[in-house]
Amino acid sequence: AQSVTQLGSHVSVSEGALVLLRCNYSSSVPPYLFWYVQYPNQGLQLLLKYTTGATLVKGINGFEAEFKKSETSFHLTKPSAHMSDAAEYFCAVRPWTDKLIFGTGTRLQVFP
Amino acid sequence: EAGVAQSPRYKIIEKRQSVAFWCNPISGHATLYWYQQILGQGPKLLIQFQNNGVVDDSQLPKDRFSAERLKGVDSTLKIQPAKLEDSAVYLCASSLDSGGGRETQYFGPGTRLLVL
Repeated sequence: AQSVTQLGSHVSVSEGALVLLRCNYSSSVPPYLFWYVQYPNQGLQLLLKYTTGATLVKGINGFEAEFKKSETSFHLTKPSAHMSDAAEYFCAVRPWTDKLIFGTGTRLQVFP
Repeated sequence: EAGVAQSPRYKIIEKRQSVAFWCNPISGHATLYWYQQILGQGPKLLIQFQNNGVVDDSQLPKDRFSAERLKGVDSTLKIQPAKLEDSAVYLCASSLDSGGGRETQYFGPGTRLLVL
């Protein structure tokens, strides 16, 4: 069965520091990979996705993620955190036409 | 472009009562999804519609949950009777078409259900 592991349910960084949110997946074939962000009392918003092609994917709000097949990873990064980045982040995998499977989420806190 | 609309935003009921949620997807989106998000967990797919038809309902507890999508647009999700463990946020999402899995799903704000 496909699964997604997000290391660290909570991550805290200072404003201006590097943001690194980790995501590993298990899949028998390279799947489609997504990062979503969820602000309090709101639905999920797509940050970025990897389908095919370039393994470094750039998304909205300065975020990017790199698909590493050998490590089965799709970590999310942002060079400089902003207060407005505080939210919950979900990594998700979709093996071809199967259902979208979400990780348990990582709550990002940004301190001034 | 209007996003995915859901109502109500919040609902409190007692166990064994029934409840219904409504979703209006983005105009022109053929595929509609209902997810259950329990506190501290990621969303879990309950049911997926392609136009009027059900594509995947393998994780829908069919003894108490039902869903329909009339005329391939709006959808309702019903729980009858509700249990305490049904307390969760119910998210509706839509996408342009099934697209082989690579298309973006757009999420509504969700309905927060509390079962007492």
